[in-house]
Amino acid sequence: GPKVLQIPSHQIIDMGQMVTLNCDPVSNHLYFYWYKQILGQQMEFLVNFYNGKVMEKSKLFKDQFSVERPDGSYFTLKIQPTALEDSAVYFCASSWGLGGGEQYFGPGTRLTVL
Amino acid sequence: QQQVRQSPQSLTVWEGETAILNCSYENSAFDYFPWYQQFPGEGPALLISILSVSDKKEDGRFTIFFNKREKKLSLHIADSQPGDSATYFCAEGGSALGRLHFGAGTQLIVIP
Repeated sequence: GPKVLQIPSHQIIDMGQMVTLNCDPVSNHLYFYWYKQILGQQMEFLVNFYNGKVMEKSKLFKDQFSVERPDGSYFTLKIQPTALEDSAVYFCASSWGLGGGEQYFGPGTRLTVL
Repeated sequence: QQQVRQSPQSLTVWEGETAILNCSYENSAFDYFPWYQQFPGEGPALLISILSVSDKKEDGRFTIFFNKREKKLSLHIADSQPGDSATYFCAEGGSALGRLHFGAGTQLIVIP
């Protein structure tokens, strides 16, 4: 089936540094999402993105977070600066439509902030 | 505040048995309830979903039973196979909203 790719699979950085997580969504999908999963907890919605704009974001989407998809390439999540509590697995997802449309998830990027 | 609750946290069944995974939600505004299956090292994959206008959805060995009045739903996996061993997430979403709210998951182990 359709695949969402995420690069890198694991990233270790020092607190205060900037990190960019990359997502290659399904090619004909229009909506893009980031979710965050802290070890042992449920996956939580961060943000969704459509037509070059953030549509909706949760309270977890701090001011240090930003998303973009320049020129239809990777959909990226940038964290600047990082904090210890940003350590988690970040899942990217994409869908053709909203709501009842299936969201396809990538394998996740495990971010460790030291 | 957890909007979607799943039980049990972990479930072990023998091959051939029916596994029953439970889910409850709080917000009646949502009308789309997918179940996702996740294997270690992979992202969640949609297994089966139901809209709140229905009370049952069947797809092969997988069946969702939905009780709107009680805000509960369950996933029944008939004739469980060792390959079904995975973590199952219940989620809620809406036709006009993109976000999904996930439960904490049920880890299913099927013993041959």
